[in-house]
Amino acid sequence: SQTIHQWPATLVQPVGSPLSLECTVEGTSNPNLYWYRQAAGRGLQLLFYSVGIGQISSEVPQNLSASRPQDRQFILSSKKLLLSDSGFYLCAWSPGQGSYEQYFGPGTRLTVT
Amino acid sequence: AQSVSQHNHHVILSEAASLELGCNYSYGGTVNLFWYVQYPGQHLQLLLKYFSGDPLVKGIKGFEAEFIKSKFSFNLRKPSVQWSDTAEYFCAVANTGFQKLVFGTGTRLLVSP
Repeated sequence: SQTIHQWPATLVQPVGSPLSLECTVEGTSNPNLYWYRQAAGRGLQLLFYSVGIGQISSEVPQNLSASRPQDRQFILSSKKLLLSDSGFYLCAWSPGQGSYEQYFGPGTRLTVT
Repeated sequence: AQSVSQHNHHVILSEAASLELGCNYSYGGTVNLFWYVQYPGQHLQLLLKYFSGDPLVKGIKGFEAEFIKSKFSFNLRKPSVQWSDTAEYFCAVANTGFQKLVFGTGTRLLVSP
């Protein structure tokens, strides 16, 4: 069966520091991968998605970037964190190829101080 | 741009009461519809989905949803809620051919015992 991992689970970082959040999927190949930010009362905001290695689409211009160095690895990064980057970040995967449901990881709670 | 509306932001029910959560979307083409649930402290989980065929779909834990194309709606229902249904519920829509989900802002359901 497929599983999705995210780490770290929680992170406290000072303003101006770099960020790297990692997401990996097991048990499937060539998945679509997604990064979301979840804010209370505002649902899930899609940040980035990828349909293949090295293919990244950005949905919202911001202080973050994403990379997909391997088929089942998706990384969310920032060179310099802002206070406004605080939030709950979710990674998800989808089988793609006409299958639209997504499966979510446990999330990372990021607090920028 | 496509959007999803969940008009009930907070719902409080007593156990055994019936539940209906509204979801409306703005896109007129072929859509794929989902309800996700997030129990306290847990991952976002797929509750049910509709792609085609019978517009009344059944999901896990006794939930069902009805797709009404003419009303652009996909309301979630459960005849008798339990305390364990306390959670946040998200409606999501994907356009056929586009590998992205658009989420509503969520409905927090509190079921009192």
